[in-house]
Amino acid sequence: AQSVSQHNHHVILSEAASLELGCNYSYGGTVNLFWYVQYPGQHLQLLLKYFSGDPLVKGIKGFEAEFIKSKFSFNLRKPSVQWSDTAEYFCAVTALLTGANNLFFGTGTRLTVIP
Amino acid sequence: EPEVTQTPSHQVTQMGQEVILRCVPISNHLYFYWYRQILGQKVEFLVSFYNNEISEKSEIFDDQFSVERPDGSNFTLKIRSTKLEDSAMYFCASGGDRTYNEQFFGPGTRLTVL
Repeated sequence: AQSVSQHNHHVILSEAASLELGCNYSYGGTVNLFWYVQYPGQHLQLLLKYFSGDPLVKGIKGFEAEFIKSKFSFNLRKPSVQWSDTAEYFCAVTALLTGANNLFFGTGTRLTVIP
Repeated sequence: EPEVTQTPSHQVTQMGQEVILRCVPISNHLYFYWYRQILGQKVEFLVSFYNNEISEKSEIFDDQFSVERPDGSNFTLKIRSTKLEDSAMYFCASGGDRTYNEQFFGPGTRLTVL
């Protein structure tokens, strides 16, 4: 069965620090990969997605993620975080060959940015 | 910008009671989903719905759960006899394209079972 691992449960950074959140998935076939963000009190919003092509994808608000197929990873990065980036970040995967298109989520990483 | 809406935002119910959670997906979307998130845990898939029938469901989605699209706009999740462990945030999502599978989430309904 597919699974998604996010190893960092809570990350605390100062403003302007660089961010990298890890995401690994287990599935041998073709996948679509997503990062969702949930700001306090708000719903899940799509940050960025990877379907095919360039493994380095850019999303909203200066975020990017790199798909490394050999490592089954899709880590999220931002060179300089802001206080407004404080939120919960979820990595998610869909496994295309199963025929289903439901999302499998990681447990989430809470990011706290200190002004 | 179109968005998915959900009502109510918070539902409190007694164990054993039936609840219906409502969702209005984005109007031109064809694929509909329910997910739940128990406090402190990951978001889990419950069910997907396409062409007026369930296309996938997880092992969580047992006989106590059902979904319906009673008209052209609403998509509901019914829990027939709620249990304490059903307390969670329930998210509805909709998507317009199976291949690319970008799903848009609603704000969620917090269900509290007492």
